Amino acid sequence: GQQVMQIPQYQHVQEGEDFTTYCNSSTTLSNIQWYKQRPGGHPVFLIQLVKSGEVKKQKRLTFQFGEAKKNSSLHITATQTTDVGTYFCAGIGNAGKSTFGDGTTLTVKP
Amino acid sequence: NAGVTQTPKFQVLKTGQSMTLQCAQDMNHEYMSWYRQDPGMGLRLIHYSVGAGITDQGEVPNGYNVSRSTTEDFPLRLLSAAPSQTSVYFCASSYSTAGATDTQYFGPGTRLTVL
Repeated sequence: GQQVMQIPQYQHVQEGEDFTTYCNSSTTLSNIQWYKQRPGGHPVFLIQLVKSGEVKKQKRLTFQFGEAKKNSSLHITATQTTDVGTYFCAGIGNAGKSTFGDGTTLTVKP
Repeated sequence: NAGVTQTPKFQVLKTGQSMTLQCAQDMNHEYMSWYRQDPGMGLRLIHYSVGAGITDQGEVPNGYNVSRSTTEDFPLRLLSAAPSQTSVYFCASSYSTAGATDTQYFGPGTRLTVL
């Protein structure tokens, strides 16, 4: 079945440093979604990418979808303490089923 | 709108007991799904539904049943609880009729412990 790998598992940064998490699927995806989960909370939708090679920006966050629609990345510029949490990618297959990666937990030292 | 609501928030069961986790949404979403999240891991899809009367299995369906008699409600039944089912359970809904191809809105979760 479809597998989605996400690296790194943990990332510790100093406030102001950049952060990147990578997502790789074993199969070609229909689209990919990114979510953020704060400790003790529930996943909150950030963005969806649909097109091959698509790049979207949300303020300091940049999301990319690979040309082969099998990988994606989330890059945060100049992290802030409010960025702490776990970032998940969810690969959506042709049948509409979602497969989540195990997430990257970001901690930011002020 | 209340969004996606889940009850109960916390539950402790003994091995072998059964129970139903409730999930409701008031956004008229067609797609609803159940995930479980174990410590330090991502969300694994248990069951999902693309509309009333239609359900299908996800990645980890064993030990769980679902039904979808209305658009609003999607309960998850644990048939005979086992310690391996200790987890946090999230319900999610989406506008899309083609599965999880649109924004998924998650409920607050149910934290289940099976002794």
